[in-house]
Amino acid sequence: DAKTTQPNSMESNEEEPVHLPCNHSTISGTDYIHWYRQLPSQGPEYVIHGLTSNVNNRMASLAIAEDRKSSTLILHRATLRDAAVYYCILRASRRGAGNMLTFGGGTRLMVKP
Amino acid sequence: EAQVTQNPRYLITVTGKKLTVTCSQNMNHEYMSWYRQDPGLGLRQIYYSMNVEVTDKGDVPEGYKVSRKEKRNFPLILESPSPNQTSLYFCASRREAGGVQPQHFGDGTRLSIL
Repeated sequence: DAKTTQPNSMESNEEEPVHLPCNHSTISGTDYIHWYRQLPSQGPEYVIHGLTSNVNNRMASLAIAEDRKSSTLILHRATLRDAAVYYCILRASRRGAGNMLTFGGGTRLMVKP
Repeated sequence: EAQVTQNPRYLITVTGKKLTVTCSQNMNHEYMSWYRQDPGLGLRQIYYSMNVEVTDKGDVPEGYKVSRKEKRNFPLILESPSPNQTSLYFCASRREAGGVQPQHFGDGTRLSIL
């Protein structure tokens, strides 16, 4: 799977928007961009995924660069409950080879009151 | 409520004493997998199953066994646990083996092998 690069940590103020970047310069045409987050003492939780177009759901928005070499997860109003490690993961849509999610180091988001 | 349930959540045991961590999902998902999470190493896949009676090795399968006799259950077996298997374990499931649907994770099992 292609590799992703994320900042180790970011800080945000409560109720402000947060933009979490991810670089994936070696992304292939069949790779979907997934975001998961892991809150303290919990398992990873799906946030959002997309292929080419920007995506919105109740949790966040995903902005994908036109060349697909980078993407940004947007939390529109950070709350204290959004403090977590956020993982950007590429996964191709194909059967076999485990179809596992390869978690890198992620970005630790700290939210200040 | 759709969920992946792991048991136990915490276990302290001794080297060599066989243990099983159970995992059950109530979403009729085809695909299930086990990960371990260690500081500095992230999550690594141990075993996965694309459907009943179909299992395969992930990145770090040594010292582990799994079985998939029923669609909902995917237990992780440590026949002779050793201290290097002390870790935080997560079970996950997904609707289909292929595709890009989200994976659902359990809340984790913290194992300490003394």
